[in-house]
Amino acid sequence: AQSVTQPDIHITVSEGASLELRCNYSYGATPYLFWYVQSPGQGLQLLLKYFSGDTLVQGIKGFEAEFKRSQSSFNLRKPSVHWSDAAEYFCAVGEGSGGSYIPTFGRGTSLIVHP
Amino acid sequence: DVKVTQSSRYLVKRTGEKVFLECVQDMDHENMFWYRQDPGLGLRLIYFSYDVKMKEKGDIPEGYSVSREKKERFSLILESASTNQTSMYLCASRIRRNEQFFGPGTRLTVL
Repeated sequence: AQSVTQPDIHITVSEGASLELRCNYSYGATPYLFWYVQSPGQGLQLLLKYFSGDTLVQGIKGFEAEFKRSQSSFNLRKPSVHWSDAAEYFCAVGEGSGGSYIPTFGRGTSLIVHP
Repeated sequence: DVKVTQSSRYLVKRTGEKVFLECVQDMDHENMFWYRQDPGLGLRLIYFSYDVKMKEKGDIPEGYSVSREKKERFSLILESASTNQTSMYLCASRIRRNEQFFGPGTRLTVL
């Protein structure tokens, strides 16, 4: 069965520090990969996505992610974190054909930003 | 911009009540989804729909049903609400294989 693992439940960083959030998955083929962010009390907003092509993907708010097939990973990075980045981050992975895939979500990583 | 709206941000109901959660999207998306979100468990899929009048069970359909009579609207129904259905409910829509667009969520409390 497909699965998505976000190994870190919480991550604490200082404002201005770099950030990396980990995401690992188990799938047979090249999946569709997503990172979403959820601010408190809100729905999820797409940060970036990977379907094919260049394995380094740029997203909104200065985030990027790199697809590494050999490691089955899609880690999210940001070079300098801002206090407004404090939120819950979800990795999602989908596999299927004909546009009918159902994404599986990781359990989320809560980012805490210290001033 | 795609907009997904949910009928209520907060809802309080009593055990045994029938509860309707409404979701509307304005971008003619074929696919719609209902999730519940609980701390430490992430998002769990309740039901989804590929098109009007079509529905498929997700991972946790027990205690829920859905209705999709019009393309833009996807309703989640709790036939007889129970306290273990207290949760945040998120609706999402999607066109074909692209990303999902989420509504703001409904925080349901069942007393």
